[in-house]
Amino acid sequence: GQQLNQSPQSMFIQEGEDVSMNCTSSSIFNTWLWYKQDPGEGPVLLIALYKAGELTSNGRLTAQFGITRKDSFLNISASIPSDVGIYFCAGQGTGTASKLTFGTGTRLQVTL
Amino acid sequence: DVKVTQSSRYLVKRTGEKVFLECVQDMDHENMFWYRQDPGLGLRLIYFSYDVKMKEKGDIPEGYSVSREKKERFSLILESASTNQTSMYLCASSLGGQGVTEAFFGQGTRLTVV
Repeated sequence: GQQLNQSPQSMFIQEGEDVSMNCTSSSIFNTWLWYKQDPGEGPVLLIALYKAGELTSNGRLTAQFGITRKDSFLNISASIPSDVGIYFCAGQGTGTASKLTFGTGTRLQVTL
Repeated sequence: DVKVTQSSRYLVKRTGEKVFLECVQDMDHENMFWYRQDPGLGLRLIYFSYDVKMKEKGDIPEGYSVSREKKERFSLILESASTNQTSMYLCASSLGGQGVTEAFFGQGTRLTVV
């Protein structure tokens, strides 16, 4: 299947810091999605991006659909303890119906 | 709100047992998916279905089969469970149709095969 490289694998930050993570693909994607998974739960959708260059915010979260359509970025501003979890990017490629390819995840730990 | 419900949060099964994981969604979604999640590997697609009685293999279908007899229900079957199938299993559904790809997940089933 298609490969999605997500980095960093893990982050340890202090409360109040900003966070950045990204995903890159070996091929073009039509849609990028960002999910968060709390411990012991299923992933929950945070942001959906549908157009190259699109920049979308959801509270303290901002995500961008890269202009090349092969990458996406998620930023979290002023982190708080409840931001702890695993963040996944996911993309839908061309000609793959509704299938999503997921990144390997970024594990975020926030210290007080 | 979309609700995707998996029948068990935790399961312990013996090697060689036939295992059924059940998933139900209540939003009349066309597409349903089964993923497994392992540390460092992210979510990998096992099977998906875009209509009743229709199924397609994902990236890691070996050792698994699926059943979709009704639109709201998608079952994952481990024909003969093995220890390397110990994992977190996640079911998801999406509306389907052009350009609509947001998938909604269940809470997951953590399966241990001993």
